[in-house]
Amino acid sequence: SAVISQKPSRDICQRGTSLTIQCQVDSQVTMMFWYRQQPGQSLTLIATANQGSEATYESGFVIDKFPISRPNLTFSTLTVSNMSPEDSSIYLCSVVAPGGYEQYFGPGTRLTVT
Amino acid sequence: KQEVTQIPAALSVPEGENLVLNCSFTDSAIYNLQWFRQDPGKGLTSLLLIQSSQREQTSGRLNASLDKSSGRSTLYIAASQPGDSATYLCAVRNFGNEKLTFGTGTRLTIIP
Repeated sequence: SAVISQKPSRDICQRGTSLTIQCQVDSQVTMMFWYRQQPGQSLTLIATANQGSEATYESGFVIDKFPISRPNLTFSTLTVSNMSPEDSSIYLCSVVAPGGYEQYFGPGTRLTVT
Repeated sequence: KQEVTQIPAALSVPEGENLVLNCSFTDSAIYNLQWFRQDPGKGLTSLLLIQSSQREQTSGRLNASLDKSSGRSTLYIAASQPGDSATYLCAVRNFGNEKLTFGTGTRLTIIP
């Protein structure tokens, strides 16, 4: 299994500002995933972060809006830039446990943009 | 493009009843399928993972089945309890891709 922590757990931010979300895993993993869950909706993948290379973004998500860092095999950050109320969501990071197939999720960061 | 649908969107049942949640997917070339539980405002808890070569998985009162040819999975919950109240999500991983495609979720309420 994998234990994932995220910081902050929640935040209220003003329009036009940026927020960086941290994700820490208790084991070394190749890929880390960032998902968004808008209110009342299911999860949508934002990007996949590999250590030592550029993140791969899904259709509809761009690096300028959601820059990602992956400095090592246990840590990643997602920044939500120039925020608008439409960015109000829960942001979750996820990993596949080493040597396994099951995907595990962090507790999420609940972001409200006013 | 893989699409995952869950029916019903919401379900309320009295405590003690057995129930079935449904998940359907459009592309049968899946690597595995995973069922999650999400409590309000929280992250996801993995319940069961079924590999493409498997037909079912069991954990306690939960049993998940997979029929790739028909593009369906079911999650069976036996002897439901109020603590089972949550949103249940199924997610599919396709071959050659570690990304999960999520269903729309079923919000389950167990009535004491």
